[in-house]
Amino acid sequence: DAGVTQSPTHLIKTRGQQVTLRCSPKSGHDTVSWYQQALGQGPQFIFQYYEEEERQRGNFPDRFSGHQFPNYSSELNVNALLLGDSALYLCASSTGHANEQFFGPGTRLTVL
Amino acid sequence: AQSVTQPDIHITVSEGASLELRCNYSYGATPYLFWYVQSPGQGLQLLLKYFSGDTLVQGIKGFEAEFKRSQSSFNLRKPSVHWSDAAEYFCAVVYGATNKLIFGTGTLLAVQP
Repeated sequence: DAGVTQSPTHLIKTRGQQVTLRCSPKSGHDTVSWYQQALGQGPQFIFQYYEEEERQRGNFPDRFSGHQFPNYSSELNVNALLLGDSALYLCASSTGHANEQFFGPGTRLTVL
Repeated sequence: AQSVTQPDIHITVSEGASLELRCNYSYGATPYLFWYVQSPGQGLQLLLKYFSGDTLVQGIKGFEAEFKRSQSSFNLRKPSVHWSDAAEYFCAVVYGATNKLIFGTGTLLAVQP
């Protein structure tokens, strides 16, 4: 079992650009959550997908959007990038309610 | 607002010494509590979790944590720290049916030889 995988590992973009991050959940998991971890901070919840629908959303602007595919993999899209979007983006997968969330290694996004 | 507080930003202990990392959560419906560890440049690994039942929970790598509802605390402990335990530790909570992890700001643990 490969666990949760994310791509790419690192990404550098400039302000105003758009970015897509990808996540494949752990085998058997149907729920994917995305978190943003700024330097020196704890992860902040962005949103969660289940059955291809956004089930919950944190306090992030509409520039942040996502998608879940029938195979449960997920994408996080960020439009009109700002310098403040520079962070480690973590994907976590789970199944059911309040069960353990398994985290991927993250994608480090740098916005110049 | 629902929140998690980790009052210690940075802790240094000697190898072999005992460790306690503090975590307090704001009052809310049925908390589910977690401790995660993050090594530099890595994702998060779950150390242990508390959903219900026995308030003293055992985790991986010799860690344990005790849930104290009266103090809204979920402190992490280890009787003897190893150099490989140096990492950042995050306490997190899920309230009720939200299934959304709320994290503290983390405690960075350094281990002296």
